[in-house]
Amino acid sequence: EVQLLESGGGLVQPGGSLRLSCAASGFSFSSFALTWVRQAPGKGLEWVSSISGSGGSTYYADSVKGRFVISRDSSKNMLYLQMNGLRAEDTAAYTCARGFAFFEYWGQGTLVTVSS
Amino acid sequence: EIVMTQSPATLSVSPGERATLSCRASQSVSSNLAWYQQKPGQAPRLLIYGVSTRATGFPARFSGSGSGTDFTLTISSLQSEDFAVYYCQHYNNWPRTFGQGTRVEIK
Repeated sequence: EVQLLESGGGLVQPGGSLRLSCAASGFSFSSFALTWVRQAPGKGLEWVSSISGSGGSTYYADSVKGRFVISRDSSKNMLYLQMNGLRAEDTAAYTCARGFAFFEYWGQGTLVTVSS
Repeated sequence: EIVMTQSPATLSVSPGERATLSCRASQSVSSNLAWYQQKPGQAPRLLIYGVSTRATGFPARFSGSGSGTDFTLTISSLQSEDFAVYYCQHYNNWPRTFGQGTRVEIK
């Protein structure tokens, strides 16, 4: 069974940093691209970033480019999102998903709140 | 960036009736379009990809159609478990973008 479990969310001040993690299981980790999608409270879905199975290709939404870094560790079956320079508008539930094109499996998300 | 526009924002439908949801892309996405279903408090579920291929677990009452810039999700006979928010998403190029969603509610 494919499982994706996010962690690392919390309350952070504007300008601060946070690293999100996503523990993956139930599939051949290195064979699949992974993606972060976020959803602000009461709002729709926003694609944030994707990384290829090898980690060699990464893509970012313009809204986070230069501030967020996606990475993965195949030895631990872990996906990460390093978030720097956080802004109020980054407040959202961040969810990891499997896929590069469309997203077949999703985690339950971890909430990030950016507020002073 | 390709902008995905869904209509209507809210669709009120009685159980057993047909629901038709629209998704329009600001430029052609070919057949690179997916639909997701999201219920309150739950993660989205992949519903359809490649415009019309149903994902595992969804019954035949869900169907997708369209190409290029105009797409439709049809639920032929709404069941109680189908009331949810539906999002379209393109994957023709980067960045991937979602529509703003259509809420299907009980009339």
